[in-house]
Amino acid sequence: GDSVTQMEGPVTLSEEAFLTINCTYTATGYPSLFWYVQYPGEGLQLLLKATKADDKGSNKGFEATYRKETTSFHLEKGSVQVSDSAVYFCALSDNNAGNMLTFGGGTRLMVKP
Amino acid sequence: ETGVTQTPRHLVMGMTNKKSLKCEQHLGHNAMYWYKQSAKKPLELMFVYNFKEQTENNSVPSRFSPECPNSSHLFLHLHTLQPEDSALYLCASSQVGDNSPLHFGNGTRLTVT
Repeated sequence: GDSVTQMEGPVTLSEEAFLTINCTYTATGYPSLFWYVQYPGEGLQLLLKATKADDKGSNKGFEATYRKETTSFHLEKGSVQVSDSAVYFCALSDNNAGNMLTFGGGTRLMVKP
Repeated sequence: ETGVTQTPRHLVMGMTNKKSLKCEQHLGHNAMYWYKQSAKKPLELMFVYNFKEQTENNSVPSRFSPECPNSSHLFLHLHTLQPEDSALYLCASSQVGDNSPLHFGNGTRLTVT
């Protein structure tokens, strides 16, 4: 079945540092890929998405590129802020299964001033 | 402000109680979902409703009973729960169709004593 693997956290960075959160997936067919973010006390929000190979999703300074050859969708940001502290979830949607998502385990990011 | 509202935000119940979680979406979506978020575990999809019809029951125990009276409302009825059912229960909605992003509520934090 489909699965998503994320690097375990927490990831602790200083403000303005470069961020990478690794995500790899296993899926049949050609999934769509997503990053969701969960701020403390809130539900998940869509951060960005990519629907086909080599697509780059971007939002709020974050970006991720759909790499079919390495089955990866790593999240990056050039300069993190304290307000980026949250839990980040990588997810996939198998295009044969409608829009039901398979989530990774989440990676907690803590940014210190 | 989220377009998906969940009540209550927090719930403490004994194992013999009966309670219900409520979810309402104001986004005009036609699909609704229940997810369970437990510490140190990936999000678990519990139920999916498309156009008020249940299309997915992810092997959820019968002590959890969903109800979807219309496309805007979703309930999760709880009875004779176990302590291991303590978790954050997240409701989400979307348009039916591939790659439509999910919009999540802020969740109900459930504690079973």
